[in-house]
Amino acid sequence: GENVEQHPSTLSVQEGDSAVIKCTYSDSASNYFPWYKQELGKRPQLIIDIRSNVGEKKDQRIAVTLNKTAKHFSLHITETQPEDSAVYFCAASRGGSYIPTFGRGTSLIVHP
Amino acid sequence: DADVTQTPRNRITKTGKRIMLECSQTKGHDRMYWYRQDPGLGLRLIYYSFDVKDINKGEISDGYSVSRQAQAKFSLSLESAIPNQTALYFCATSDGDGRRETQYFGPGTRLLVL
Repeated sequence: GENVEQHPSTLSVQEGDSAVIKCTYSDSASNYFPWYKQELGKRPQLIIDIRSNVGEKKDQRIAVTLNKTAKHFSLHITETQPEDSAVYFCAASRGGSYIPTFGRGTSLIVHP
Repeated sequence: DADVTQTPRNRITKTGKRIMLECSQTKGHDRMYWYRQDPGLGLRLIYYSFDVKDINKGEISDGYSVSRQAQAKFSLSLESAIPNQTALYFCATSDGDGRRETQYFGPGTRLLVL
């Protein structure tokens, strides 16, 4: 089955800095890669996703990049703000399977 | 608002007790899931169902069972609870519209097994 590794487990940055979270996956057939954000005490919510026919996708201050050859993908957050503080999960799945495998999560702390 | 709801939100039980966690959704989605979240271990899939007559084991199904009573309802049971089942449990649905495969999570049930 699929195995998703996520690093780092904790990331501490100053407000205004950039943050990068990296994930690797094992199943070369995986082609759908979503990212979820879980604020403290809340449910995870999708913030951005990418399919393997695209190398990069941006949405305001967040972007995701994908390297299919190396089987890794990353979440980039620019100009971080305190409200970006949360746990972020990456996931991978075979498109159409609707069965994602999640990484272990990264706790992002943005210091004012 | 169409949503995913879970009951109870918090539960304390004793080792050996049977407990049921319930999930309801008004999103009209066919796909429903149960996950558990443990610190440092992420979200792990327990069971999933793609329609009323479909039940599938996930990564960590031992010690759990499920029932899909209707399209909108998916229940998780712990037949004989043990302390290492203490965790945060999430129900989720997926729309499967072919464009996105978004998981819509419920608010979670925090379970403590003494």
